[in-house]
Amino acid sequence: SYELTQPPSVSVSPGQTASITCSGDKLGEKYVCWYQQKPGQSPVLLIYQDNKRPSGIPERFSGSNSGNTATLTISGTQVMDEADYYCQTWDISPLVVFGGGTKLTVL
Amino acid sequence: QVRLVQSGAEVMKPESSVKVSCKASGGVFSSFSISWVRQAPGQGLEWLGGIITMVGTTKYAQKFQDRITITKDAPTSTVYLELGSLTSDDTAVYYCAKSGGFSNSFKFDQWGQGTLVTVSS
Repeated sequence: SYELTQPPSVSVSPGQTASITCSGDKLGEKYVCWYQQKPGQSPVLLIYQDNKRPSGIPERFSGSNSGNTATLTISGTQVMDEADYYCQTWDISPLVVFGGGTKLTVL
Repeated sequence: QVRLVQSGAEVMKPESSVKVSCKASGGVFSSFSISWVRQAPGQGLEWLGGIITMVGTTKYAQKFQDRITITKDAPTSTVYLELGSLTSDDTAVYYCAKSGGFSNSFKFDQWGQGTLVTVSS
């Protein structure tokens, strides 16, 4: 079955750029979505189709996808961005695949 | 904007079945698909399956194939998840999530508030 691998944790200082990676076999040939989840809350869609932002998502969130790695970039990271981040793609089995999640710490 | 409201928390006995509902409002029920995603305590997200509400076609993760049923009730715009043969490993928050379909270009753009299912003897 298809798997997506994320680093368990990433740390960043406020105002700096955070990069969260998501790796999978030939991932660049698939579309990737990114979700943000804060404690006790439901996931929120941040990025879809690799690099598109839904309305209401700040411009500091961006995405890219090439080769075997997709990357979520948060520019000018704010304390409010501290959360868990999940990548997601579509495959055959299972149909929907999530990465294991990355805990972003802003300190 | 579509809003998804789920049923309340459940405490279940091992080997029993649980049925969780997800009611959609604010959109055309037959225009989107609903998936069920769960999150065990302290763990990541796991897709269980989904339903294309227009035609009722279901897609299940192989891991749950033999004990999951997802159904819809169009008049009430509600989707149901039934999971059987419960064990303590099924203790999790179960989310419903809306997408336009089940292929590469779609996204989960709306999520329910989550339903905690606790399996305990």
